[in-house]
This record gives sequence, structure tokens and C-alpha cells, in this order.
Amino acid sequence: ETGVTQTPRHLVMGMTNKKSLKCEQHLGHNAMYWYKQSAKKPLELMFVYSLEERVENNSVPSRFSPECPNSSHLFLHLHTLQPEDSALYLCASSQDGQDSYNEQFFGPGTRLTVL
Amino acid sequence: ILNVEQSPQSLHVQEGDSTNFTCSFPSSNFYALHWYRWETAKSPEALFVMTLNGDEKKKGRISATLNTKEGYSYLYIKGSQPEDSATYLCAFYNNAGNMLTFGGGTRLMVKP
Repeated sequence: ETGVTQTPRHLVMGMTNKKSLKCEQHLGHNAMYWYKQSAKKPLELMFVYSLEERVENNSVPSRFSPECPNSSHLFLHLHTLQPEDSALYLCASSQDGQDSYNEQFFGPGTRLTVL
Repeated sequence: ILNVEQSPQSLHVQEGDSTNFTCSFPSSNFYALHWYRWETAKSPEALFVMTLNGDEKKKGRISATLNTKEGYSYLYIKGSQPEDSATYLCAFYNNAGNMLTFGGGTRLMVKP
């Protein structure tokens, strides 16, 4: 166990559905991340929150909407997704700060299928 | 866009073989290089975080070296075991921001 949990582990949704992915970290970290892993592609960073403020938005379509209500919780709200958004979505946390080098602690991921 | 390349993409070895694979990254604005191990159905886990040119780090049978001037890192596994089967990811962290750029990974399969 890495101290980062994600729910649900699997999700199937239609293109008109609205759903949310949840991530929780129990490590006392101050930064949280959403990554996307598509087939045959490297891990892609989607969003970074540091001290609950969004500091990076990697040109992600607006149908993905992140929310970080506190330093332990991170959500990814999904709306009107496309089949090509089917992927593994990984959450991670790290301790951000001088000389931290941002070692990532990953959750197990949510496998999303969009029909 | 930062280019982080890993080779080979996949590798099959016999139990007991030693093996190594490569991560190449931009040689400018270097801050750190991470290696992660990702077993099927599990979370990626950090193996090493390397920051200094010439760094060598070791964890059991796995070791890594770093050359920041030429932009590459090697990961070595001595005497591979079936439980070493996993995807090994490297990630480059530059000094310009908060994000890691990951390579595509090397998928290692160790046959008993």
C-alpha cells in the first residue's frame, strides 16, 4: 500500500454521463496530481495541485474538471466524455518544497471505459 | 515539449540473467531523474530519485547511474528473478516547474 487510495477502481460510463473519480492520500503530502495512461503512450500529467491551489493544467479539455477541497483529497469530475478518453487515470501525491525532488506516490488507478 | 525516451520498449530475459536499460532526457535545466517500477495491477513505486551527475544508487539487485551532461541514465538488474517482471519508468524533472515528464517505459519479462 502506497498511502494513496482511488475510487472507483473501474468505471464504465456513457458519453452523456457525469461521474467523478476520487483520490485520497494519507501521507501528509501537500501536492496532488492527476495522470492519464492511454494504451501505448507515456504517462501524461493532467493537473497539479500544490497547497490546494492548481499550479499546472496541461492543456486538458474542459470536460475534465479537477477539484481539490483540501490537501488530502482530489477529485476529477467527468462530463460528456469521448471514447478516446478511455484510459487508466492515476492519482499521485508528493511533498512539494525546496530540495524535495517531488518523489511521486501513486494510487492504484481508475480504469475508465467510455462507451 | 520535453523528450524522455526509454529503450528498449520491452525485454524478455531468462531467470538469472543480468540486464540493463536506458533512459535519455534533455541535458539542460536538469533537476532530478526518477525511476519507478510498475507491476501489473499495482501502483507505480519509486525506486530511485537521482539528482547529481555521476550518482550511482543501489537497492538490492537493482542499481542506477546518472549522466546529466549527456542526458542519460541506466538501470541495471543483476541476476533477474521472475518477480522483477514489471514496467520500469523513468521521469525527468526540470528546474522550471512542478511537473515530471515520463518516458514510455521498458517492460521487462523474466522467464523462470
